Amino acid sequence: GAVVSQHPSRVICKSGTSVKIECRSLDFQATTMFWYRQFPKQSLMLMATSNEGSKATYEQGVEKDKFLINHASLTLSTLTVTSAHPEDSSFYICSARPTNQGQPQHFGDGTRLSIL
Amino acid sequence: QKEVEQDPGPLSVPEGAIVSLNCTYSNSAFQYFMWYRQYSRKGPELLMYTYSSGNKEDGRFTAQVDKSSKYISLFIRDSQPSDSATYLCAMSALNTGNQFYFGTGTSLTVIP
Repeated sequence: GAVVSQHPSRVICKSGTSVKIECRSLDFQATTMFWYRQFPKQSLMLMATSNEGSKATYEQGVEKDKFLINHASLTLSTLTVTSAHPEDSSFYICSARPTNQGQPQHFGDGTRLSIL
Repeated sequence: QKEVEQDPGPLSVPEGAIVSLNCTYSNSAFQYFMWYRQYSRKGPELLMYTYSSGNKEDGRFTAQVDKSSKYISLFIRDSQPSDSATYLCAMSALNTGNQFYFGTGTSLTVIP
């Protein structure tokens, strides 16, 4: 089956640090990748849609300068949380959709980010 | 009105029971329907993927789509404690481009 690898799985760092999270599709090409944020016992909240070779599309209320997204290849997208603060602590999940039309998203295992 | 409605539960059943999870939706253009299972502190895992109306079976899981009623279901037979998780429905349409619409998830606990 389609596999999406997300790294790191856990990050604990000091306030003001920038954190980079990688999302890779291991056995398929993904023109589009998605970044979500999930709070405890809540559903997924779409942050941005990342398209290979072009700028990401951010959802309303998500700061572009805070959450930098790069999708440089068909198998890799990165999310950088810049100058992270405690309120950025959350569970971040990426997903990738195969290039073929109508294919479902496949999710990574998430990154638990804790800012002290 | 939300695009996709899903009862958040929680739902608690004894081991061996048949579980029925449901979502309703408002956009008649939705053609692709998915069910994901999410364990605590993990990403969602694709369980079932169906196109248009009808039933699809995979082991103990059956996905059912009724486009006339805008209603989808996931049935779990002979439920096991390992099925305890949150189940998310999702759907999309060709004319929504890359956009997927998710339900809020139903929390299921199967009691041994």
